Amino acid sequence: KQEVTQIPAALSVPEGENLVLNCSFTDSAIYNLQWFRQDPGKGLTSLLLIQSSQREQTSGRLNASLDKSSGRSTLYIAASQPGDSATYLCAVRPHNLRGGSEKLVFGKGTKLTVNP
Amino acid sequence: SAVISQKPSRDICQRGTSLTIQCQVDSQVTMMFWYRQQPGQSLTLIATANQGSEATYESGFVIDKFPISRPNLTFSTLTVSNMSPEDSSIYLCSVGPDRVQETQYFGPGTRLLVL
Repeated sequence: KQEVTQIPAALSVPEGENLVLNCSFTDSAIYNLQWFRQDPGKGLTSLLLIQSSQREQTSGRLNASLDKSSGRSTLYIAASQPGDSATYLCAVRPHNLRGGSEKLVFGKGTKLTVNP
Repeated sequence: SAVISQKPSRDICQRGTSLTIQCQVDSQVTMMFWYRQQPGQSLTLIATANQGSEATYESGFVIDKFPISRPNLTFSTLTVSNMSPEDSSIYLCSVGPDRVQETQYFGPGTRLLVL
């Protein structure tokens, strides 16, 4: 059974710092991995999706990497801003033995606070 | 991308009552899902809403407690029945992907507090 772990659970940094959020998963048989942002009491906003054949994806100040063989992904945030404060969720989409896809499996998230 | 709206955005309900949450998508989608996020926890899939047939429920969730409708390819409802304080959560509607390489999108959520 696929399990997703995110470390750290919470992170507080001063504005301007570059930071890395970590995600690990137990089964490397995945179709893709997706990073989401969730503001308090709100829904999820998709940030980046990495296909299993890709090593990384970039969007603005965000860069996500994927090492499928070791079951790890990182989300790098450059020059952090107070507006980046949110919970960041990692989710993997496993594939099953019949070659189809399974439903997303989520980590518990990393709560990021960027202090002015 | 898909734009998803949910109603209500939040509600406070009394124990023993029921609440129906609506999910509207701006385009036709095959896959629609309902998730629950309890305080301080990650997302748990409740069920997949199938158009024209009964929903498919995950382990630990039953139709009597969480009846779901999916009358067409752009709309679904989730009812939380006979509520208790343990049902206090954010309920999220989600759509996609139609192909495995696509992004899955989420609605803004419905924040429910049961007293």
